[in-house]
Amino acid sequence: NFMLTQPHSVSESPGKTVTISCTRSSGSIASNYVQWYQQRPGSSPTTVIYEDNQRPSGVPDRFSGSIDSSSNSASLTISGLKTEDEADYYCQSYDSTNPGVFGGGTKLTVL
Amino acid sequence: EVQLVESGGGLVQSGGSLRVSCAASGFTFRTYEMHWVRQAPGKGLEWVSYISSSSSTIHYADSVKGRFTISRDNDKKLLYLQMNSLRVEDTAVYYCVRAWSGPIWGQGTLVTVSS
Repeated sequence: NFMLTQPHSVSESPGKTVTISCTRSSGSIASNYVQWYQQRPGSSPTTVIYEDNQRPSGVPDRFSGSIDSSSNSASLTISGLKTEDEADYYCQSYDSTNPGVFGGGTKLTVL
Repeated sequence: EVQLVESGGGLVQSGGSLRVSCAASGFTFRTYEMHWVRQAPGKGLEWVSYISSSSSTIHYADSVKGRFTISRDNDKKLLYLQMNSLRVEDTAVYYCVRAWSGPIWGQGTLVTVSS
């Protein structure tokens, strides 16, 4: 089984850009799609990125996703930060024997 | 509108059983694989179980294997999770999730297991 490792927390000021990383412990990050979820306090998760870099309709283009094979990691980048972006963010991927693997989550503080 | 609505959560004693359901609407349910994901209070997301569109392939997390059973009724557009031999550590909000290709989440249903 592989693991996905995220930073526990990140913080940045409104208007700035923040990047959250998600490192896969074994197997190639490029082998299986990565998804990113936003979860505001008291709410269910919502998808902000799927299939590495695809945005669902309604998600602003301030949100973008990418993968980097050299570091075996995925990244979620949020530009033009707004206070409403303050939330927990989770990465998620899978492989043939592990249909669902989540990162531990990153708490984003916009201050 | 694409929607998933979970139900059936509640309070149950350790060792007891509970079945949670997920009603799908707004999309062709029978063509999508489905997952159950849970979140213990104050904790992160944990994948629980997977079922393919035709129910031919099923997977479970090691933490629930042998105790939980996932199933679906494509005609009724319903997804189920039968939970037996419940433990205190199964206390969580249980979410149904449509596929990983453009995932849709339900609002969740809270399962509380008391000792």
